[in-house]
Amino acid sequence: DTGVSQNPRHKITKRGQNVTFRCDPISEHNRLYWYRQTLGQGPEFLTYFQNEAQLEKSRLLSDRFSAERPKGSFSTLEIQRTEQGDSAMYLCASSPRPNGLAGNTDTQYFGPGTRLTVL
Amino acid sequence: SQQGEEDPQALSIQEGENATMNCSYKTSINNLQWYRQNSGRGLVHLILIRSNEREKHSGRLRVTLDTSKKSSSLLITASRAADTTSYFCATALLSNDYKLSFGAGTTVTVRA
Repeated sequence: DTGVSQNPRHKITKRGQNVTFRCDPISEHNRLYWYRQTLGQGPEFLTYFQNEAQLEKSRLLSDRFSAERPKGSFSTLEIQRTEQGDSAMYLCASSPRPNGLAGNTDTQYFGPGTRLTVL
Repeated sequence: SQQGEEDPQALSIQEGENATMNCSYKTSINNLQWYRQNSGRGLVHLILIRSNEREKHSGRLRVTLDTSKKSSSLLITASRAADTTSYFCATALLSNDYKLSFGAGTTVTVRA
């Protein structure tokens, strides 16, 4: 079990630039989630994929944010025209399909996160 | 908005003592989960308790759930320095159990 991986781990960018983050879930997991966490707060849900289908987007995900999971494996989260308020830790998580063979389907396994700093 | 609220916000205990933190939530849940997060890192899943369960154990962890009071508690027994970190409760609603709603966390410091 290699766990959920995220790249890059840290990103510093200037306001107005575009950034893209990548998440590689645990291989047998078909569900993938993105969360955002600001300092001193718990993570907040951003979006959810089942296979390649994006099934829900939070109101927190403005038009500048887009997430994809083109082949139902890895996912990317892009932020266009970054703002200082976008500075946060972006967390990815995955969970297995409901067949009981790959762990508890309700448990979400988190990656280490990508810390974004917008100057 | 975040559904869960942890109490206390911060907790300092002596090594070997027990640590108890509470989580309250507002709407009916499918399950409640506890995570820990080391500084600057992702979340590590500790334990999940379903709405029809009242208590679960995992090693030195004990979780209780009272759905009538919409609250849960996490007890860490015989605390160690390595237990120093932030702990979060997360609820999965009945209506959309894939979306976890986290509280702001309890920061636990275990003094040697």
